[in-house]
Amino acid sequence: QLQLQESGPGLVKPSETLSLTCTVSGGSISSPTYYWGWVRQPPGKGLEWIGSIYYSGSTYYNPSLKSRVTMSVDTSMNQFSLKLTSVTAADTAVYYCAAARYCSGGSCYPSIRKNWFDPWGQGTLVTVSS
Amino acid sequence: QSVLTQPPSTSGTPGQRVTISCSGSSSNIGSNTVNWYQQLPGTAPKLLIYSNNQRPSGVPDRFSGSKSGTSASLAISGLQSEDEADYYCAAWDDSLNGQVFGTGTKVTVL
Repeated sequence: QLQLQESGPGLVKPSETLSLTCTVSGGSISSPTYYWGWVRQPPGKGLEWIGSIYYSGSTYYNPSLKSRVTMSVDTSMNQFSLKLTSVTAADTAVYYCAAARYCSGGSCYPSIRKNWFDPWGQGTLVTVSS
Repeated sequence: QSVLTQPPSTSGTPGQRVTISCSGSSSNIGSNTVNWYQQLPGTAPKLLIYSNNQRPSGVPDRFSGSKSGTSASLAISGLQSEDEADYYCAAWDDSLNGQVFGTGTKVTVL
């Protein structure tokens, strides 16, 4: 059963770079049927998609964050990562990593437009403060 | 910033049926499938409905989803106290070329 776990600093200073890693267990990050995504949730607010990455390195980013976001995959460590530059207090949030895929008729496909996020990691709170 | 609009809150008594709407546009709900997530207090979101109306294994059949045009709905029948949570719709947006989430709806069981 696929499990995801976020890790990284819980406190980042303004203007610095937020770096998080998601470790995948119970399956391979090189699976051709999955995209791997990041979603964040500011305290007391809703969910915001940050981006998704395929094991080949193909990426899709939220247009509102695109200039500051970089996602990467490390197949040797079965991990994928998020970097968000020039952070401000507005980037304070719980950051979730999640697996995403689309399944139909007993088969699964890496459809970026049709996929859903399942499962999710437990989330990690990142606070931006000096 | 969310392009999918949901009512902020709804409530019902145990056993009642409640519905949550999710309003979008032709570039998201109108042309792509809708997924729903349940977020219990203090926990990570969990997939509740995928591909408009499909339930993952383990999700009670009290939960059902539907889509019509540029809107989608989640219905909870036979409301139970453990259904008290935040619910989010989501879909791919072809104009933004990205995933968008709804504004979220808090369900309270009275």
